[in-house]
Amino acid sequence: AQSVTQLDSQVPVFEEAPVELRCNYSSSVSVYLFWYVQYPNQGLQLLLKYLSGSTLVESINGFEAEFNKSQTSFHLRKPSVHISDTAEYFCAVTRSYNTDKLIFGTGTRLQVFP
Amino acid sequence: DAGVIQSPRHEVTEMGQEVTLRCKPISGHNSLFWYRQTMMRGLELLIYFNNNVPIDDSGMPEDRFSAKMPNASFSTLKIQPSEPRDSAVYFCASSSGGGRGPQHFGDGTRLSIL
Repeated sequence: AQSVTQLDSQVPVFEEAPVELRCNYSSSVSVYLFWYVQYPNQGLQLLLKYLSGSTLVESINGFEAEFNKSQTSFHLRKPSVHISDTAEYFCAVTRSYNTDKLIFGTGTRLQVFP
Repeated sequence: DAGVIQSPRHEVTEMGQEVTLRCKPISGHNSLFWYRQTMMRGLELLIYFNNNVPIDDSGMPEDRFSAKMPNASFSTLKIQPSEPRDSAVYFCASSSGGGRGPQHFGDGTRLSIL
């Protein structure tokens, strides 16, 4: 079975500072990895995903995540955050065959201060 | 393209009443998921369907909860009788299957049981 651990429940940062949201997973099989973002009073939206190929994946709004198989991690980073990045971020994993079921982490609340 | 559509957006009712939440997935998606989100328990998968067939309902809390998917464009989640501890935001999501496709979430139904 797969599992996901997001070590930080809250991450406060100042605007324009870099940020890293940590995600570790556990699985005995190959996986697909995802980061979702949830803004207040909205559903989750896909931010980026790793399926195969290059281990560094990027989103359109400046976030990136790197798949590290040896460390079973998929940390999310952004070199300079904006106030508008304030949201809840969820890491998720699914085994890479024959299922659509995602296993979500408990979420990290990113709070960006001016 | 229309996203996942959930109704109602808000529901307030008294305990003991029947509650029905509705979901219209994205056209062409063959997997549908029901989640519940609370502060205490985070995001929980209740049940998911593939090609209108329930695949995994292990997250359904108890017999008071039931879900149906009579066709590819409609699903319901019913709680009968409702209890105050059922108060939460309920999300529906759909995907095109195979694990590679991301899940697309609706904006949720905020349910309050008095």
